[in-house]
Amino acid sequence: GAVVSQHPSWVICKSGTSVKIECRSLDFQATTMFWYRQFPKQSLMLMATSNEGSKATYEQGVEKDKFLINHASLTLSTLTVTSAHPEDSSFYICSAHLRGNNEQYFGPGTRLTVT
Amino acid sequence: KNEVEQSPQNLTAQEGEFITINCSYSVGISALHWLQQHPGGGIVSLFMLSSGKKKHGRLIATINIQEKHSSLHITASHPRDSAVYICAVRFLGNEKLTFGTGTRLTIIP
Repeated sequence: GAVVSQHPSWVICKSGTSVKIECRSLDFQATTMFWYRQFPKQSLMLMATSNEGSKATYEQGVEKDKFLINHASLTLSTLTVTSAHPEDSSFYICSAHLRGNNEQYFGPGTRLTVT
Repeated sequence: KNEVEQSPQNLTAQEGEFITINCSYSVGISALHWLQQHPGGGIVSLFMLSSGKKKHGRLIATINIQEKHSSLHITASHPRDSAVYICAVRFLGNEKLTFGTGTRLTIIP
């Protein structure tokens, strides 16, 4: 089946620094990629929808200047958490929507810890 | 309002038992996903349904479009099935997924 990878799988950074998370669809072209955040024992919360070659669409309450999304190609989207703070510590998951059908494939997630 | 409800929230069962997790949604959908999330966090897509029934190994997923309801069944449950199972739907006209709150399943040896 289709595979989505994320890098890194975990990262620890200091408060005030920026962290970039990559999401790649390995064997298919993704029309759309979605970025989610999940806090402990909670469900996934959609942060933004990323379409190749256009600006991301952010969900209400998600700061677009803090969570920068770049979707440079049909196989790569990046999420940059700028000026990270401890409250940004979370599990970040991407998913890729396969062009032409309803399937959505999830990446393994990136655990971010901001100290 | 587009809503997804799952039940039960938590389920503990003995190894070998037949497990059923339910998902109901409020309006028409184009697809329903069953996802599995292990304690490590990674999400695995188990099934994507738009009608009928699918089976993969010990897992069976069914959907009733008229009743707006889906079930995930696990036969001969095993401790390694312990995970959070999440129902997610794509409502008609919307490319985003709406997630249920998840069912935490624990299978005791």
